[in-house]
Order: sequence, then structure tokens, then C-alpha cells
Amino acid sequence: GQNIDQPTEMTATEGAIVQINCTYQTSGFNGLFWYQQHAGEAPTFLSYNVLDGLEEKGRFSSFLSRSKGYSYLLLKELQMKDSASYLCAVTDSNYQLIWGAGTKLIIKP
Amino acid sequence: IAGITQAPTSQILAAGRRMTLRCTQDMRHNAMYWYRQDLGLGLRLIHYSNTAGTTGKGEVPDGYSVSRANTDDFPLTLASAVPSQTSVYFCASSDSTGTWVNEQFFGPGTRLTVL
Repeated sequence: GQNIDQPTEMTATEGAIVQINCTYQTSGFNGLFWYQQHAGEAPTFLSYNVLDGLEEKGRFSSFLSRSKGYSYLLLKELQMKDSASYLCAVTDSNYQLIWGAGTKLIIKP
Repeated sequence: IAGITQAPTSQILAAGRRMTLRCTQDMRHNAMYWYRQDLGLGLRLIHYSNTAGTTGKGEVPDGYSVSRANTDDFPLTLASAVPSQTSVYFCASSDSTGTWVNEQFFGPGTRLTVL
């Protein structure tokens, strides 16, 4: 079957670093996306990985290991505005996205 | 219009009624999608369209229908609403086809309550 696993909730301190993990099992693989979703709003795109390794974009980085079915999103220099849910999604063999339930990140001062 | 819009923003509907959720994009994206989002669950794909004139079923299509008469519009219809269709509905679009993917852009969502 197809499955995406993420922690339900994480808490971190303003200015710190946090790593949000995502493991997946899907029928085929054509890339992995990370999205950010603030409460009551629509998801917005953060990153896309299709090859193994680290993609860095400002304070956010995303890592992928296809052989392990594993990705993480790394957020540095946390700010209060980073409080949101972070959604992991994998593109399956039909080129449709399979979504994890999301990780709610709480930032404390 | 800038990006992707949805209407209505929210709706309370009696069970058994017919309802159409509207979605319009002005980015000329070929692909469009309808998702529902429920607490504790990931976004689930209801229907999609890779190009105008074609549609496909997603993970949870039962009770829903779509049409794609042109590039910009992708309405979702609930023929006879049931309480289990209470959810937040997101429309999305992307510059993707059935053989490659690109990021999806989401509308603001429609919060639907079926009583």
C-alpha cells in the first residue's frame, strides 16, 4: 500500500533549528514535495526533491534518500511566523501526489 | 483575478442538496485538482484533470463529479450531499501533465458543512 508518515506535532524554540522527518512507501516515485500550511490557509510550496541529497533554499533545506524512502525538512533560525503545519507529499507512479497528514510545528519564544 | 480562486468561501448545506464548488485559475495551467482536507488526515485527491476536456478519479471520488470545459475552470459538484462530505475543499493547479510534475498552487479553500 501507499503510506506517508510524519510526526503529528513538534515544538521548538525561536532562533533554534528543527528537523521534520518524512518516511514514505509508494507505488513508484517521481519526486517529493514539502509544503507549508498556516492555520486556516492554503498550502504553499516550499521545496521539491527528485534526486538524493540536500536542496538548500534560504533558511529551509530539504533532504532526500530514495533508497531509504526518507526525507527531512530542516528549518534554521526559527521565527515565530514559522509556526505552521508542514506537509510532505510524494509523487506516485501515476504522477499524482500522495500526502502525509502533516506535522504541526509550534514555535515558543 | 490573480492566481487561483474558489467560491464560496464557506457554506452550510442540508443533506440531500446539490452543491457546486467553483474554481478558476488565470495562470493557464493545464492540470487542475480537487482535494479535501480533514483533521488528522492528509490532503486526499478527489478528482483531477491533466488538460481541458479530460478528467480522472482520485483517491476518494465517490459522491463527487467534475468537468473541465476550458483551461481556467474546474467545478466540483456534490450531487446529493451527505454529512461525511463535511470538509475543507481545496482546488489546485499546476503546469504538469500525466508524465511530469511541477509544484501545485492552491486556492484559498471552501469550508463546507453538511447537516
